[in-house]
Amino acid sequence: DTAVSQTPKYLVTQMGNDKSIKCEQNLGHDTMYWYKQDSKKFLKIMFSYNNKELIINETVPNRFSPKSPDKAHLNLHINSLELGDSAVYFCASSRKNPGSHNSPLHFGNGTRLTVT
Amino acid sequence: KQEVTQIPAALSVPEGENLVLNCSFTDSAIYNLQWFRQDPGKGLTSLLLIQSSQREQTSGRLNASLDKSSGRSTLYIAASQPGDSATYLCAVSLITSGSRLTFGEGTQLTVNP
Repeated sequence: DTAVSQTPKYLVTQMGNDKSIKCEQNLGHDTMYWYKQDSKKFLKIMFSYNNKELIINETVPNRFSPKSPDKAHLNLHINSLELGDSAVYFCASSRKNPGSHNSPLHFGNGTRLTVT
Repeated sequence: KQEVTQIPAALSVPEGENLVLNCSFTDSAIYNLQWFRQDPGKGLTSLLLIQSSQREQTSGRLNASLDKSSGRSTLYIAASQPGDSATYLCAVSLITSGSRLTFGEGTQLTVNP
C-alpha cells in the first residue's frame, strides 16, 4: 500500500550510460516532482508535473528528461551519466495544483544513484 | 532568492528532554512552511504544514510555530524518545514560485536512551 513508490532503490552504473528511474503514486494526486539530494543532504527541486504537464523545470542539464505518461507516473531518464550525477533522487507528489499551495508533499524512499 | 537555514546542524539529547529546532528563511513572502522528518535510507515524511496565515500547528508531541515577519519557524518536540532520532528538514513555498519548495539542510537529531 506504498503511497509513492520509486524503482530501483539502488542504481550503480558507469559514466556515459543512460538510465531511468520510475515513480508511481497511488494517492490520486495531480502533481508530481523530482528532487535531488546531494552528498551534503541538500534537497533541491528538479522538475514538477501537474496532470502530465510540466510546470517547473529548474536549471538542470538537458541530459535529464522527465516523462509523465499519466498523472500517476513520473519517470526520470538520464542520458550520458556523469560522476556528478551521483546523488539520491526523490520522487514526490501532492494534491495541490498551481492554484492551491497548501497540500503537503508525500515522498518516495529515494533512488541512490552511483556513477563510477 | 529564498535561502533556508537550520540551526543546529546536529543535536544530541537524553530521552525525555524537550527540544527546539530552528529554521530561518530570507524571503517572508511565503505560502507555507513544512517540517519533514527523514530517516536513514528513507524518504521524507511530512510532519506539519503551516500556512502563511497561521501561527502554529500541533500534532501529538510536535508543535511548529511560524513568525513570517522575522522569517523564523521552530519545531518543538516534547518528551523526546529514541524513536524521534532522525534528520528534520524545514521547507518553504514562496508565493512567487508556486509549488516549488526550498529546503534547509536539516538538523540531525539523536535522542539517547
